[in-house]
Amino acid sequence: AQSVSQHNHHVILSEAASLELGCNYSYGGTVNLFWYVQYPGQHLQLLLKYFSGDPLVKGIKGFEAEFIKSKFSFNLRKPSVQWSDTAEYFCAVRNTGFQKLVFGTGTRLLVSP
Amino acid sequence: NAGVTQTPKFQVLKTGQSMTLQCAQDMNHEYMSWYRQDPGMGLRLIHYSVGAGITDQGEVPNGYNVSRSTTEDFPLRLLSAAPSQTSVYFCASSRQDTNYGYTFGSGTRLTVV
Repeated sequence: AQSVSQHNHHVILSEAASLELGCNYSYGGTVNLFWYVQYPGQHLQLLLKYFSGDPLVKGIKGFEAEFIKSKFSFNLRKPSVQWSDTAEYFCAVRNTGFQKLVFGTGTRLLVSP
Repeated sequence: NAGVTQTPKFQVLKTGQSMTLQCAQDMNHEYMSWYRQDPGMGLRLIHYSVGAGITDQGEVPNGYNVSRSTTEDFPLRLLSAAPSQTSVYFCASSRQDTNYGYTFGSGTRLTVV
């Protein structure tokens, strides 16, 4: 069965620092990949997704992610974080042709001003 | 277009009580699912449905029942609530076409005392 690992559970950064959150999945078939963000007290919002094509995906709010098939990875990046990026970030994977979306355990990001 | 609507937003139950969490979507999505979110565990799939009359178990189905009598509605039933079911519950929907993202509801925060 598909599984997703997010190795950083808590990340603390200062404003303007660069961000990279790791995401690895286990199943090597064709996959769809997602990053979701959950701001305090809110529901999940889609940051970006990869279905096919250019492995470098740009999302909202300056986030991007790179799909590296050989490493089963889909790391999230942002060159310069802001205090408003404080949130929990979830990586999710779906095997193409199936509907079930499998989530990682999440990474809590705290950005200090 | 309301998207995915979950009710109630908050609920406190006593151990052994039953209740139904409601989820409705107005996008004519075939696929609907329920997740529970617990600290440090990400979102785990409880039950899902690929269409009216069809449901299946996810990762953590015990203690929960679902039905899908219409395309729009996908209620989640707790027959006898337990403290271990204290969690935040999210409903999500998607089109059958897997080249499509998911829409999440705003969540139901359930506390079982």
